[in-house]
Amino acid sequence: NAGVTQTPKFQVLKTGQSMTLQCAQDMNHEYMSWYRQDPGMGLRLIHYSVGAGITDQGEVPNGYNVSRSTTEDFPLRLLSAAPSQTSVYFCASSKRASGIRNEQFFGPGTRLTVL
Amino acid sequence: AQSVSQHNHHVILSEAASLELGCNYSYGGTVNLFWYVQYPGQHLQLLLKYFSGDPLVKGIKGFEAEFIKSKFSFNLRKPSVQWSDTAEYFCAVIPSLTDSWGKLQFGAGTQVVVTP
Repeated sequence: NAGVTQTPKFQVLKTGQSMTLQCAQDMNHEYMSWYRQDPGMGLRLIHYSVGAGITDQGEVPNGYNVSRSTTEDFPLRLLSAAPSQTSVYFCASSKRASGIRNEQFFGPGTRLTVL
Repeated sequence: AQSVSQHNHHVILSEAASLELGCNYSYGGTVNLFWYVQYPGQHLQLLLKYFSGDPLVKGIKGFEAEFIKSKFSFNLRKPSVQWSDTAEYFCAVIPSLTDSWGKLQFGAGTQVVVTP
């Protein structure tokens, strides 16, 4: 298994540009999520999905859109990038908990700089 | 606001020294607790987790953590660190068992530097 994969690894955008960060997992996990990591703030949840066609907002959703058309993929879209979105973005996935909490597996991250 | 607090932002220590990183959370009720590690340039990896049972949890690479419910704490320990333990360490909590999807709440992280 490749686990959780993310592309690209690095990206530089200008303010106002749009882009999509890709995330895919091959573990048949129902739950997928996006976090952003900023110095001194840990990881904060942006959006999450509990299955294909179902998404919901996390702690810091503004400026980001998501969709989940398949179990495997969970792209994150920035419609109009802002410097405040400069961050490292991590995608994660896990099995449905069903009363037993499962480990979330993280991708390698995408380092985004918005100028 | 409910939160996860890590006591130290930066820790510098020498090889063979003992390490203890503090983590406190403010959620009531039953929680699930995790420690993740992020080595330089790499993604997060799970060190250990606590769901129930023995409050002393052993993880990978010689790490362990103790859950003290009365203190809302889940401190991470390693008796003797190595240079390869240089990394950032994150405490994380699933604050509600009614949320079976496990939305993790992370602490701010502790950067640990081990000098030779």
